[in-house]
Amino acid sequence: EIVMTQSPATLSVSPGERATLSCRASQSVGSDLAWYQQKPGQAPRLLMYGASTRATGIPARFSGSGSGTEFTLTISSLQSEDFAVYYCQQCGNWPRTFGQGTKLEIK
Amino acid sequence: EVQLVQSGAEVKKPGESLKISCEGSGYSFTTHWIGWVRQMPGKGLEWMGIIYPGDSDTRYSPSFQGHVTISADKSFRTASLEWSSLKASDTAMYYCARQVATGHGNFDYWGQGTLVTVSS
Repeated sequence: EIVMTQSPATLSVSPGERATLSCRASQSVGSDLAWYQQKPGQAPRLLMYGASTRATGIPARFSGSGSGTEFTLTISSLQSEDFAVYYCQQCGNWPRTFGQGTKLEIK
Repeated sequence: EVQLVQSGAEVKKPGESLKISCEGSGYSFTTHWIGWVRQMPGKGLEWMGIIYPGDSDTRYSPSFQGHVTISADKSFRTASLEWSSLKASDTAMYYCARQVATGHGNFDYWGQGTLVTVSS
């Protein structure tokens, strides 16, 4: 089973600033990596797939990069609605596995 | 419009059985895997398993294999998650999600979640 490790566990950033979230896979997953956003009381929402492709309706301030074992989600200028928990998921191997999440909080 | 609608919240006692469901609409039900994800209170997402309704091919996470059963009824466009004997540790929110038909294997649509509470 591929283990996904996200860092940091919590990230405190001021509105308008940039946030960089990391995700590492225990073995290569190529570009089969997705990012999800979850707000309190809501189901997760797909943000990025294929490591770097934004899902429908996702603003351009969100970008993804990486391949193999190292991935990054960047939010270029944080808006109030971006404060949430973010999960990465490897989607290329069974079982699919999630990272433990990064909580993005207001500084 | 693609929708996944899950059955309502459940309160059960330890040892009881339970089956929760997820009905898909607005797309070809038999050509997309449907997965189940657990979220324990205050915790992260855990991938439990997934089924392909077209032929009922099912994959489980080793962590959940033998503890739950995933099934699908394509006539009713419904996937299900079942327990034969619940434990208090099964208390969680359970989400179903649709996997994209082609491409990178991610989930693209999610159900609203079913809260399962197991308490004596």
